[in-house]
Amino acid sequence: QVTLRESGPALVKPTQTLTLTCTFSGFSLNTNNMCVSWIRQPPGKALEWLARVDWDDDKYYSASLKTRLTISKDTSKNQVVLTMTNMDPMDTATYYCARTRRGYSFGFLFDFWGQGSLVTVSS
Amino acid sequence: SSELTQDPAVSVALGQTVRITCQGDSLRSYYASWYQQKPGQAPVLLIYAKNNRPSGVPDRFSVSASGDTASLTITGAQAEDEADYYCNSRDSSGNQLVFGGGTKLSVL
Repeated sequence: QVTLRESGPALVKPTQTLTLTCTFSGFSLNTNNMCVSWIRQPPGKALEWLARVDWDDDKYYSASLKTRLTISKDTSKNQVVLTMTNMDPMDTATYYCARTRRGYSFGFLFDFWGQGSLVTVSS
Repeated sequence: SSELTQDPAVSVALGQTVRITCQGDSLRSYYASWYQQKPGQAPVLLIYAKNNRPSGVPDRFSVSASGDTASLTITGAQAEDEADYYCNSRDSSGNQLVFGGGTKLSVL
């Protein structure tokens, strides 16, 4: 059974750095073509893909946010960590982690999601 | 701004057929996947590539693609299909993933 769970602060102040942890079970990030992505959704708005770490430790970032994001994995702990620097009220959103599979016949897909972690940026 | 464009809202009469489109240059090269999100819930993978549906997804959901447009069709829409629908694919560089702006489906 695949599960993912996001954890981190519910409230951060402007200019602070956000650190979110995705703890997963039911799969291994050592498996070929297995990845984990972070995705966010501001209240009432659309999903936005943020970053992805692949089984081979390749990392990819949203072009618009790449200077502020760092993604890393700890396969021994089954965790993926996302840090976002210089937080702004516009970064208020629910942050999701999702298992991401890569396949020649389908590209990429997010087949399992965490329940999300609401992060509010406010002084 | 999103490189994948979706109509913000679409409505359909109960039991009728509706198409939700996703347009973007990258769709000429890459497959799309589709996600359904109901209020207060995390998105759920609905269908991807060439009509691949995860277990439990009804076959009234289907996809097609032509040129720069991917389409999600619901044949015989049900009340429980009222939700937001998002497409996803790679961006034109192929290095990042991108979501469409989402389509809010109302079933009348």
